[in-house]
Amino acid sequence: GNSVTQMEGPVTLSEEAFLTINCTYTATGYPSLFWYVQYPGEGLQLLLKATKADDKGSNKGFEATYRKETTSFHLEKGSVQVSDSAVYFCALSDQGNTPLVFGKGTRLSVIA
Amino acid sequence: GAVVSQHPSRVICKSGTSVKIECRSLDFQATTMFWYRQFPKQSLMLMATSNEGSKATYEQGVEKDKFLINHASLTLSTLTVTSAHPEDSSFYICSARGGGGANTGELFFGEGSRLTVL
Repeated sequence: GNSVTQMEGPVTLSEEAFLTINCTYTATGYPSLFWYVQYPGEGLQLLLKATKADDKGSNKGFEATYRKETTSFHLEKGSVQVSDSAVYFCALSDQGNTPLVFGKGTRLSVIA
Repeated sequence: GAVVSQHPSRVICKSGTSVKIECRSLDFQATTMFWYRQFPKQSLMLMATSNEGSKATYEQGVEKDKFLINHASLTLSTLTVTSAHPEDSSFYICSARGGGGANTGELFFGEGSRLTVL
């Protein structure tokens, strides 16, 4: 079945540091890939997405590239801020009306 | 993007009582909604798929008699936790696809409902 594996946290960085959160997936076919973010006490918000190989999703300075050859969708940001502290979830979706398959989430803490 | 709203955002109840959580799609119609439960160590567990006008499909290990799901209209699904116990305390999140999300697989999430059972 489909699955998503993302790096275990927590990740603690200083402000302006470079961020990478690794995500790899297993899927049949050609899934769409997503990064969701959950700020403290809130629900999930879509951060970025990519629907086909070599697509790059980007938003708020975050980027991730859909790499079919390595089945990866690593999240990166060049300079994190304290306000980026949150839990980040990598997810995939098959075509059709099926639920998302989530990774376990990675908690990021950015300190000033 | 499409908007999904949950209510209440927080609820505290006594053990043995029932609690209803509503999930509404505000600007689109959702024939299918998904209910997730988030455990303290942040992982998300899919509980059930809610289908408008028919019975929900529950994931293995989820008690359908305890977590009643009703999807009476294209914009409303409800989750009722019956005879709640402290171990049911959790963060419950609903989600749905709508609009462009239906083509890309993206889910739109509600704000979540924090249930605390005393």
